[in-house]
Amino acid sequence: DADVTQTPRNRITKTGKRIMLECSQTKGHDRMYWYRQDPGLGLRLIYYSFDVKDINKGEISDGYSVSRQAQAKFSLSLESAIPNQTALYFCATSDFARGTDTQYFGPGTRLTVL
Amino acid sequence: QKEVEQDPGPLSVPEGAIVSLNCTYSNSAFQYFMWYRQYSRKGPELLMYTYSSGNKEDGRFTAQVDKSSKYISLFIRDSQPSDSATYLCAMSAVSGNTGKLIFGQGTTLQVKP
Repeated sequence: DADVTQTPRNRITKTGKRIMLECSQTKGHDRMYWYRQDPGLGLRLIYYSFDVKDINKGEISDGYSVSRQAQAKFSLSLESAIPNQTALYFCATSDFARGTDTQYFGPGTRLTVL
Repeated sequence: QKEVEQDPGPLSVPEGAIVSLNCTYSNSAFQYFMWYRQYSRKGPELLMYTYSSGNKEDGRFTAQVDKSSKYISLFIRDSQPSDSATYLCAMSAVSGNTGKLIFGQGTTLQVKP
């Protein structure tokens, strides 16, 4: 089984709809991240969480919100989706307690906003 | 100016060629340097991890860091069609380290049989 899972894998929605992307991990890592990937722009950090009570904005947090329901679960919400939020979204985890920045990525969610 | 610059390619080489992938950066505080490989429709996976300057070798892959020039490279020897993927460099700083990685844009590599 995959260590970092994301649901759904693909989602098509309409402008103005609220949607939630979910991430679960079985790695036991403390830190979790949400990124979006756009052609030519690489990976950009949306939000990150060091633990359940510690959530921080990343580079491009406007239009997004997150919830860390448990150490293993981190969800990303688009309150009112817009077409320029069409992108590939990745969840990642890291085990900073081991003194490394290595991040482990999920398989991604392809989101299309019409 | 972006903190990390990476030539997006695409880069196309014949099987068996030596491939050189590069990134430049502007933040002298970066101490940890990584290369991730991303296959189509998959999440990035860690390929190489280096700390500070120097070289690190793992099989056909060699990661090189030159902090004085703010330049990192990934060399692939005897490239194979299975190496066809997008390669992303990533880095982070030591002081005030929040675990945040800064990624390059990624270079798409195609190795032709």
